[in-house]
Amino acid sequence: QVQLVESGGGVVQPGRSLRLSCIVSGFAFSNYAMHWVRQAPGKGLEWVAVIWFDGSKEYYADSVKGRFTISRDNSNSTLFLQMNSLRAEDTALYFCARGSCSSSACYPSNYWGQGTLVTVSS
Amino acid sequence: DVVLTQSPLSLPVTLGQPASISCRSSQSLLYSDGNTYLNWFQQRPGQSPRRLIYKVSTRDSGVPDRFSGSGSGTDFTLKISSVEAEDVGVYYCVQGTHWPPVTFGQGTKVEIK
Repeated sequence: QVQLVESGGGVVQPGRSLRLSCIVSGFAFSNYAMHWVRQAPGKGLEWVAVIWFDGSKEYYADSVKGRFTISRDNSNSTLFLQMNSLRAEDTALYFCARGSCSSSACYPSNYWGQGTLVTVSS
Repeated sequence: DVVLTQSPLSLPVTLGQPASISCRSSQSLLYSDGNTYLNWFQQRPGQSPRRLIYKVSTRDSGVPDRFSGSGSGTDFTLKISSVEAEDVGVYYCVQGTHWPPVTFGQGTKVEIK
């Protein structure tokens, strides 16, 4: 049974940092790219970042580039999102999702976690 | 960046009636390998997104056959042949052809009349 479980969300002041985790089970984590996707309260889905299966490549949305870092620990089947210099507009439910990525295309596939809520507020 | 424009944004439907959602892309989503990387996701209230369709028209495992996807180039459609109560939620088109970034449509909210 495939499971993706996010954690690490919470309330944080603007300018501070937070690290999200996503623990995966039920599939060979080290074989797949992984995404972070977020959803602001009452809003649509926004892609945040993707990391290649071996950690060799990372790509980011312009809105988080330079502030967020995606990483992974394949030995522990865990995905991370280090979020620095947080802003009010980063307030959202953050989902991790398995990727379907190659040299030609890249998008979240059919396995998503339940999300972890990040609230940036003073 | 590729912009995906969905219409309508709100879709009240009667149970048992068909429904159709349009997704238009600012660029052709046909990749040089011959594939078109346009997917459809469903997000039921309070749940995570669930992929229904990938590469325009291929249903994911377990997706009822009342859902179908079609289109090419820049114009795509998700159809529900006969809406059921469990289909209530928000539907998103997503493209993975021109990335980064991966881009989502604004979402179409399907509700029962």
